[in-house]
Amino acid sequence: KAGVTQTPRYLIKTRGQQVTLSCSPISGHRSVSWYQQTPGQGLQFLFEYFSETQRNKGNFPGRFSGRQFSNSRSEMNVSTLELGDSALYLCASSYAGREETQYFGPGTRLLVL
Amino acid sequence: SQKIEQNSEALNIQEGKTATLTCNYTNYSPAYLQWYRQDPGRGPVFLLLIRENEKEKRKERLKVTFDTTLKQSLFHITASQPADSATYLCALDQNTDKLIFGTGTRLQVFP
Repeated sequence: KAGVTQTPRYLIKTRGQQVTLSCSPISGHRSVSWYQQTPGQGLQFLFEYFSETQRNKGNFPGRFSGRQFSNSRSEMNVSTLELGDSALYLCASSYAGREETQYFGPGTRLLVL
Repeated sequence: SQKIEQNSEALNIQEGKTATLTCNYTNYSPAYLQWYRQDPGRGPVFLLLIRENEKEKRKERLKVTFDTTLKQSLFHITASQPADSATYLCALDQNTDKLIFGTGTRLQVFP
């Protein structure tokens, strides 16, 4: 079974731009969660989607948004990029979410200049 | 305030010894706790999950304990090997479907 894939792997943007990251979960998994990882704050939960609905949300500003498609693939979007948005963005999938093993993708490393 | 604390300093141990990593939490009531391994440039990999009503869980050379009175989980790797060198993250969930991660402890096993 193929693992979680994320595209692109690396991205360089400038302040004020917007960016869209993509995540393809493991086949059959319906829950996709997004995390931001930085050296200072560690791994922080952004949001979780299940069956195309946002089921949970972390404490991030509205510039961070996401969606999930009917095939469970998910995208997250960050608008009006700030320098502090530079981070590794990870997505994780599981069959149904709670209490289940989260399978992480390799991440997208975003650098905002 | 709510906190999950793991040793921020790297843990260096000799091959063959037991590595013990600590995860302490404050102002959380986790339903369960998970441990992950993360290698540089890669996403975390799930290792073990322990529920609030379980004291101990084992998987091969790994053992996790969970003490809800002390608000602490210990993660042990016995007979450690250089290949065990990585960052280890603990994460907890309070039945909210949000995994909250600690900042991780870097383990270095030297021959």
